[in-house]
Amino acid sequence: EDKVVQSPLSLVVHEGDTVTLNCSYEVTNFRSLLWYKQEKKAPTFLFMLTSSGIEKKSGRLSSILDKKELFSILNITATQTGDSAIYLCAVAGYNDYKLSFGAGTTVTVRA
Amino acid sequence: DAGVTQSPTHLIKTRGQQVTLRCSPKSGHDTVSWYQQALGQGPQFIFQYYEEEERQRGNFPDRFSGHQFPNYSSELNVNALLLGDSALYLCASSGGSGNTDTQYFGPGTRLTVL
Repeated sequence: EDKVVQSPLSLVVHEGDTVTLNCSYEVTNFRSLLWYKQEKKAPTFLFMLTSSGIEKKSGRLSSILDKKELFSILNITATQTGDSAIYLCAVAGYNDYKLSFGAGTTVTVRA
Repeated sequence: DAGVTQSPTHLIKTRGQQVTLRCSPKSGHDTVSWYQQALGQGPQFIFQYYEEEERQRGNFPDRFSGHQFPNYSSELNVNALLLGDSALYLCASSGGSGNTDTQYFGPGTRLTVL
């Protein structure tokens, strides 16, 4: 069964700080890893990383995938209060239609 | 461009009752997945519908069933509700011309079972 472990469980930072979120995974025949941001209800898509794309960047957010060590990192630089949310990591395997999620990391950014 | 929509927003039921949740996928998407998210946990996969058929199912009992309509919208039905079914139920759509791995989520239905 697929396994996704996120750390830390939660963290509190001040505006302007840099945040690093970790996601380790075990999945049969890895196909992709996705990051989502969940503020109130709907998780919103951030990045998808695959074997052919191991680093993604969008504004202050960036993510890398280490397929050898089976983990991914999501970085948020110059944090703002609007970055406060739960960040979810999910993986998908070949011949598998589902996403398997970790429990998430709750990020609180204080002004 | 309308995103994924779900109804109702909130629902309160009592044990033993039955509930139906509804989902309309994002425009251009033909695949709908349902997830259950308990408090403090990540979403857990219930099942996925494609071409009006259940394509894959997670570890949920038969009390959970679904349907997909020709317009790609979907319903999730839960029978004989238990207290443990209280959760946020998320619908996600994917497919069309985009990458099929990227699932886009709706705002969810918060189900409370008393």
